[in-house]
Amino acid sequence: ETGVTQTPRHLVMGMTNKKSLKCEQHLGHNAMYWYKQSAKKPLELMFVYNFKEQTENNSVPSRFSPECPNSSHLFLHLHTLQPEDSALYLCASSQEPGLESGELFFGEGSRLTVL
Amino acid sequence: AQSVAQPEDQVNVAEGNPLTVKCTYSVSGNPYLFWYVQYPNRGLQFLLKYITGDNLVKGSYGFEAEFNKSQTSFHLKKPSALVSDSALYFCAVRDKGNTPLVFGKGTRLSVIA
Repeated sequence: ETGVTQTPRHLVMGMTNKKSLKCEQHLGHNAMYWYKQSAKKPLELMFVYNFKEQTENNSVPSRFSPECPNSSHLFLHLHTLQPEDSALYLCASSQEPGLESGELFFGEGSRLTVL
Repeated sequence: AQSVAQPEDQVNVAEGNPLTVKCTYSVSGNPYLFWYVQYPNRGLQFLLKYITGDNLVKGSYGFEAEFNKSQTSFHLKKPSALVSDSALYFCAVRDKGNTPLVFGKGTRLSVIA
């Protein structure tokens, strides 16, 4: 059982829609991450939050807007997306990003399809 | 900058045979190396990691990996493959300091009965 829960698991949206992905971790971790997984490409780090503060924004387009209200919850707000944004979006957490030996714990992902 | 290469998109192995999934890395300092597995429609699961010490690291589900500094490699191995090992495997590396984990593009392992 994963300690990181993502909802929804599947989402289909049009290019003009606004939707949000939600992530919740029950592990007492202080850092949370959004990754994008596309077929046959390396995982792309999108955002990192440490103690609710954004510490990394990996040149992500502004149509993706993260929100981290506390250390246990992370959102990814989506608006005016493009079909190439269709992918599996993975949330992860770790004790803290500066802990070099710490592994990431992943949720099961939200499969996004943009029509 | 740190990077990871997984040279094989697909590895096929017969059940009961040993398996190897290759990974090479590039970092400026000492590496922290990780392997993750992803089953269909699931997130990534941590398998094992190398931080320091013994070059042979043992992890979950009977997997192990060997750190080779001279060859900058961290290949994943298992002595006897199971059909249930069929999945997507990711190698990842982090350099010292506050740097994000960098993942390879993944290798799909198919174990045939």
